Amino acid sequence: ETGVTQTPRHLVMGMTNKKSLKCEQHLGHNAMYWYKQSAKKPLELMFVYNFKEQTENNSVPSRFSPECPNSSHLFLHLHTLQPEDSALYLCASSRMGLADYNEQFFGPGTRLTVL
Amino acid sequence: AQTVTQSQPEMSVQEAETVTLSCTYDTSESNYYLFWYKQPPSRQMILVIRQEAYKQQNATENRFSVNFQKAAKSFSLKISDSQLGDTAMYFCAFMKRSLGNTPLVFGKGTRLSVIA
Repeated sequence: ETGVTQTPRHLVMGMTNKKSLKCEQHLGHNAMYWYKQSAKKPLELMFVYNFKEQTENNSVPSRFSPECPNSSHLFLHLHTLQPEDSALYLCASSRMGLADYNEQFFGPGTRLTVL
Repeated sequence: AQTVTQSQPEMSVQEAETVTLSCTYDTSESNYYLFWYKQPPSRQMILVIRQEAYKQQNATENRFSVNFQKAAKSFSLKISDSQLGDTAMYFCAFMKRSLGNTPLVFGKGTRLSVIA
């Protein structure tokens, strides 16, 4: 596997289910991100992790719970979601530090549908 | 806070023709980067081109070029000799320039269709 991978690619869940999204990067990066891409809305940054530490939580509801066990893996745990949470969830990674610009590389996304 | 506006939800262009996608932004920052990202159908988002705000020269990458007007806060993307593979969503994005990671702020996107 190369680049940034995400599993599953598609997920359908009920409002009472608990599920997790997984992201893995094979680029040697040390920063990882979760974005939400809803129809007709700009991509919204949800969380940022630098060296496994959460550095940004963009006012995301607690029904979304991120986890970053190491620099290569990022999870988004989902529970008691709402239909309006249906969206494409994108993971990205980048280097952190050393320069004032570090390109973010995106995964293919997980298409989430909440029934 | 920064905002990015893409006023063209959808556009189409004939193959081999030129098309320009518009983007305006609002910020009080003086040092920043601007980007155009491409998201093909069911494929990963990739960076097309990047512009440093402190550079007056417009960035170019092969068939892709930008028209960066800092005073007007305008950042348009020109695609020359359009190809069928250029069909995608295009997102304009802003990033404040600083050490460490600062968030990307995206526009809503423009869906471009290249027609044979």
